[in-house]
Amino acid sequence: NAGVTQTPKFRVLKTGQSMTLLCAQDMNHEYMYWYRQDPGMGLRLIHYSVGEGTTAKGEVPDGYNVSRLKKQNFLLGLESAAPSQTSVYFCASSYSGLAGGINNEQFFGPGTRLTVL
Amino acid sequence: ELKVEQNPLFLSMQEGKNYTIYCNYSTTSDRLYWYRQDPGKSLESLFVLLSNGAVKQEGRLMASLDTKARLSTLHITAAVHDLSATYFCAGQGAQKLVFGQGTRLTINP
Repeated sequence: NAGVTQTPKFRVLKTGQSMTLLCAQDMNHEYMYWYRQDPGMGLRLIHYSVGEGTTAKGEVPDGYNVSRLKKQNFLLGLESAAPSQTSVYFCASSYSGLAGGINNEQFFGPGTRLTVL
Repeated sequence: ELKVEQNPLFLSMQEGKNYTIYCNYSTTSDRLYWYRQDPGKSLESLFVLLSNGAVKQEGRLMASLDTKARLSTLHITAAVHDLSATYFCAGQGAQKLVFGQGTRLTINP
């Protein structure tokens, strides 16, 4: 099993350009998440999905869009990149996300380092 | 809404010493997770604490959960340099985990 994979690993964009980050998991997990990590800010949740065809906003959703057309994939899009979106982006997945459910441990991908000039 | 706070945020210690990282959370969370992150790397799951009084140990690390006090601790025994990393705790929120700010641990020879 590959676990959670992310594509690409690194990317440099110019302000105003668009791009899509791809996250894939092969663990048949229902829940998937996109985070950004900035120095001194910890992890901040951008968007998440509780199942195929569903998405929901997290803590910092502005400037990002997501789609979950297939259970195993979760895409994060930047329509018009800004320097403030320079960050490391992590995708994660879990079997469930609900309180009272079984282990909701999240498994993380290796990250995408994005620089917007 | 669940909030999770860790302290200290930075910790520098000598090899061979013991120390504890604290993770407090604001509302009921019946489970608690600990992760480790090495510089430039992803997050790796360390412990999953599923009930009040749960204690788990792996090598020099031991994690515990007290749901009544809304407190989890990560205890480091006889620290070694290889344990230098950032440690995150996370509580169970609605449909997602809520992460603490992280504790950057540096262990000096």
